[in-house]
Amino acid sequence: SAVISQKPSRDICQRGTSLTIQCQVDSQVTMMFWYRQQPGQSLTLIATANQGSEATYESGFVIDKFPISRPNLTFSTLTVSNMSPEDSSIYLCSVELRVGDTQYFGPGTRLTVL
Amino acid sequence: GENVEQHPSTLSVQEGDSAVIKCTYSDSASNYFPWYKQELGKRPQLIIDIRSNVGEKKDQRIAVTLNKTAKHFSLHITETQPEDSAVYFCAVTGGFKTIFGAGTRLFVKA
Repeated sequence: SAVISQKPSRDICQRGTSLTIQCQVDSQVTMMFWYRQQPGQSLTLIATANQGSEATYESGFVIDKFPISRPNLTFSTLTVSNMSPEDSSIYLCSVELRVGDTQYFGPGTRLTVL
Repeated sequence: GENVEQHPSTLSVQEGDSAVIKCTYSDSASNYFPWYKQELGKRPQLIIDIRSNVGEKKDQRIAVTLNKTAKHFSLHITETQPEDSAVYFCAVTGGFKTIFGAGTRLFVKA
């Protein structure tokens, strides 16, 4: 398995501002992902964070709104830009120790936008 | 692309009864089928998984069955306990992408 931490665990932000969420893994992993989970809903993949190259975004998510960094194999950040109340959600990072295998999730960041 | 449907969305059982949750998928190339449990306020965690070359897998009170021909797989929980109350997500992986089902909220009544 993998030990994954996220910072911050929660935040309350004003609309129009940006928040950067950090994800740290205790071992080097190839695959890292960012998900959004709205209250009572399933997990929606935002993007795959690629080390050394631009992230791969899913339909409906764009780099200008959700810029992602992946400077090495143990760390990634997701920024939620120009926030609106609709961005209020839980954001989770996850990793795969092997491609196409089990995903291990971070504890999540609960974001509230006022 | 892959489409995953999960049923039921809510399931309420009496303690000691069995619970069954079913997922169907569309891409016959999918080859890995995990189940995750998410307790309130916690992260999703793997409880059992099955790969495409196996028809059934069991771990104590939890089992998963896979029918590749029909493209469906099911989670079976026997002798349910109140601590089994949670949201359960099926997932389907083929290649680089994992698609999650919509989730089933399981209530186990003591």
